[in-house]
Amino acid sequence: DIQMTQSPSTLSASVGDRVTITCRASQTISYWLAWYQQKPGKAPKLLIYDASSLQSGVPSRFSGSGSGAEFTLTISTLQPDDFATYYCQQYNSYPTFGGGTKVEIK
Amino acid sequence: EVLLVESGGGLVQPGGSLRLSCEASGFTSNSDWMHWVRQAPGKGLLWVSRINSDGYITTYAESVRGRFTISRDNTKNTLYLQMNSLRAEDTAVYYCARGSTGVGLYWGQGTLVTVSS
Repeated sequence: DIQMTQSPSTLSASVGDRVTITCRASQTISYWLAWYQQKPGKAPKLLIYDASSLQSGVPSRFSGSGSGAEFTLTISTLQPDDFATYYCQQYNSYPTFGGGTKVEIK
Repeated sequence: EVLLVESGGGLVQPGGSLRLSCEASGFTSNSDWMHWVRQAPGKGLLWVSRINSDGYITTYAESVRGRFTISRDNTKNTLYLQMNSLRAEDTAVYYCARGSTGVGLYWGQGTLVTVSS
């Protein structure tokens, strides 16, 4: 299995902050990485695929970067609707998720 | 509007079986891969299984291999997950998702499976 490690596990931030979440793979996965947002009691929502491609309809304040084994999700200007848990997921081999990063209000 | 609706969850005893269904509507074709992903209460996401568009290619997470079987009936626009030899650790909300080989673009609302005596 390819292990995905996200950091931090919890992040306290304020509206307007720039937020960065890191995801590391236990081996190289090229750019086969996606990011999802999940709110309590709801299904995950795809934000980014292929490491840096923004899913249609997702606000441009979300961006992804990286390749190989290290990746980042950046929210340029945090909005009230962005407080949620974020997961990375690799699909170089059969898919595996990171442990999640909860973005909470500071 | 595209929609995925899961059903079939419920309470089952350890060692028992359950079959989940996921009915799709609003899609113009059946060319997508489909996945099952689960989430134990208060925990993160765990990918369970996937199946290609014609049903001939399937993959499973190690934790369910040999116990769970994924299938699809494109004539009914429905995805299935047959779960046998259920364990307490299989307790979770089970989501179906539709998209590519590895990415879930569309997701259902989930169905809760509780394995308990």
